[in-house]
Amino acid sequence: GQQVMQIPQYQHVQEGEDFTTYCNSSTTLSNIQWYKQRPGGHPVFLIQLVKSGEVKKQKRLTFQFGEAKKNSSLHITATQTTDVGTYFCLPLMDSSYKLIFGSGTRLLVRP
Amino acid sequence: DAMVIQNPRYQVTQFGKPVTLSCSQTLNHNVMYWYQQKSSQAPKLLFHYYDKDFNNEADTPDNFQSRRPNTSFCFLDIRSPGLGDAAMYLCATSSWGTGRSYEQYFGPGTRLTVT
Repeated sequence: GQQVMQIPQYQHVQEGEDFTTYCNSSTTLSNIQWYKQRPGGHPVFLIQLVKSGEVKKQKRLTFQFGEAKKNSSLHITATQTTDVGTYFCLPLMDSSYKLIFGSGTRLLVRP
Repeated sequence: DAMVIQNPRYQVTQFGKPVTLSCSQTLNHNVMYWYQQKSSQAPKLLFHYYDKDFNNEADTPDNFQSRRPNTSFCFLDIRSPGLGDAAMYLCATSSWGTGRSYEQYFGPGTRLTVT
């Protein structure tokens, strides 16, 4: 069955440093979504990647989808305290409506 | 504004006493989901409705039931809550089909406490 690993589990950075979280699947994905959940909040959709090798940017956030459509990353340049939260990937497959979030990466930013 | 609303935001129930959580949406999405999220964990899908079709996850306990009387509303019934059912329950909606985005919109959640 589909296996998804998200790493790291936790990262604590100094404000201004960069941050990256990775999501790796054992099977080829149709697309992948990324969500952010602030402490005490609910997940909020950030982006969806569909194409092999796709790269999308949202201000300081860069999202990539691997060529083989088995892995994805979210990179934040020059973190700010407003970036604090847990980032989840949600891999999607054409053949299944099964939705299993990645385990999440919790980001803490020291001011 | 179009949104996903959950009531109540906080619910306290006694061990074994049935409880119902509600979710409504003004997005006219055809899919509604219920997730359970425990502290420091990812949301775990319990079930979803695609229009009126109910889809239960294999590992969702029988203690959890759901109803979707119309497009806008969905309910989560916990028949006999145990201490292990204390969690945040998140409702989400999505639009599935050709040309649709599939992104999920989450409600604020209901935090359930079992005493």
